[in-house]
Amino acid sequence: GENVEQHPSTLSVQEGDSAVIKCTYSDSASNYFPWYKQELGKGPQLIIDIRSNVGEKKDQRIAVTLNKTAKHFSLHITETQPEDSAVYFCAASMSNYQLIWGAGTKLIIKP
Amino acid sequence: NAGVTQTPKFRVLKTGQSMTLLCAQDMNHEYMYWYRQDPGMGLRLIHYSVGEGTTAKGEVPDGYNVSRLKKQNFLLGLESAAPSQTSVYFCASSYAQGQPQHFGDGTRLSIL
Repeated sequence: GENVEQHPSTLSVQEGDSAVIKCTYSDSASNYFPWYKQELGKGPQLIIDIRSNVGEKKDQRIAVTLNKTAKHFSLHITETQPEDSAVYFCAASMSNYQLIWGAGTKLIIKP
Repeated sequence: NAGVTQTPKFRVLKTGQSMTLLCAQDMNHEYMYWYRQDPGMGLRLIHYSVGEGTTAKGEVPDGYNVSRLKKQNFLLGLESAAPSQTSVYFCASSYAQGQPQHFGDGTRLSIL
């Protein structure tokens, strides 16, 4: 079946440094790629998304890049802050528009 | 400013018991979803609905039933709970297909 692989499973960075999380998808028909942030005890919250007709999208310190040929997309967080500590999930839409989710990345920001 | 509300927040069941999880959204969204989240795994879709009175199976539907009698509510039922159904259950809604999904804060369910 279709799947989304997400790496790394845990990422520890120094406050102020950049963090990059990568995902690979298998369904060539996927055209919508959201990223969610989940804090402890809460539901996932959308932080940024990208569609297949765009290669890059930025929102302040957060950016997402998409390489459709390689079926890769990545989340970039610059100037990391303590409040960025959370679990991040990538997802990709399937041909029936439902989302397939990565397994998550626990981001730890060290002071 | 409620968004998506899930009740209850926590529940402990014995094997074989039944229960219903309630999801309510106040954003007038057409689409609603039920997911389960297990340690080390992403969210897996159980069932979803594309509008009032409709339901469809997701990736892991076995052992669960759903109903969408009103547009704002989406119910998830466990007829005979099993330990394998111990999980955190999330409800979400979206305006349309391929649009951002808005999540509730989850129901933590333990089956003993």
